[in-house]
Amino acid sequence: QVQLQESGPGLVKPSETLSLTCTVSGGSISSYYWNWIRQPPGKGLEWIGYISYSGSTNYNPSLKSRVTISVDTSKSQFSLKLSSVTAADTAVYYCARIGTTYFDYWGQGTLVTVSS
Amino acid sequence: SYVLTQPPSVSVAPGQTARITCGGNNIGSKSVHWYQQKPGQAPVLVVYDDSDRPSGILERFSGSNSGNTATLTISRVEAGDEADYYCQVWDSSTDHGVFGGGTKLTVL
Repeated sequence: QVQLQESGPGLVKPSETLSLTCTVSGGSISSYYWNWIRQPPGKGLEWIGYISYSGSTNYNPSLKSRVTISVDTSKSQFSLKLSSVTAADTAVYYCARIGTTYFDYWGQGTLVTVSS
Repeated sequence: SYVLTQPPSVSVAPGQTARITCGGNNIGSKSVHWYQQKPGQAPVLVVYDDSDRPSGILERFSGSNSGNTATLTISRVEAGDEADYYCQVWDSSTDHGVFGGGTKLTVL
């Protein structure tokens, strides 16, 4: 059974960079596409972007200028960096695997609060 | 960018049928997926590729997709079905994931 687990700081200061890591277990990271999705408190889901096992990426245009997703296949991890954060970036951040066109495995999510 | 439109809320009595819609331009030409999210939990896939169910999802959950509207149907609704439901497609023209705004299902 594939499992994903997010990790990283739960509090980030405004203007700094949010950094999260997703660890994949129970399956190979060297296939599929690996995604980040976020959900502000009380709001809906927003797709942030993906990285493929080969390292190709694609990002939501609304975040593209601030987002970097990378992968470390040796550690079965992929990571999210979001720069110049503001309070609007406060959200639960999920990592998820995409099979064909749907997200079949999700992490439990991690709340990141942007506050001084 | 591609936009998916869902009603903010749907209410249904126990034992009745709930229908949650997801509107999009020619959505019938795309594969639509549905997720259930209960408070404090990650979303769970309940229908994929318009009408298929993942292993472990009850037959009470079904889906359809035609024209400009996809529909998630929950038969014989139970109190435990109360949750937020999201539709999702993959926009192949931009290679982006797209979610609907979500629908809160209330069981009266």
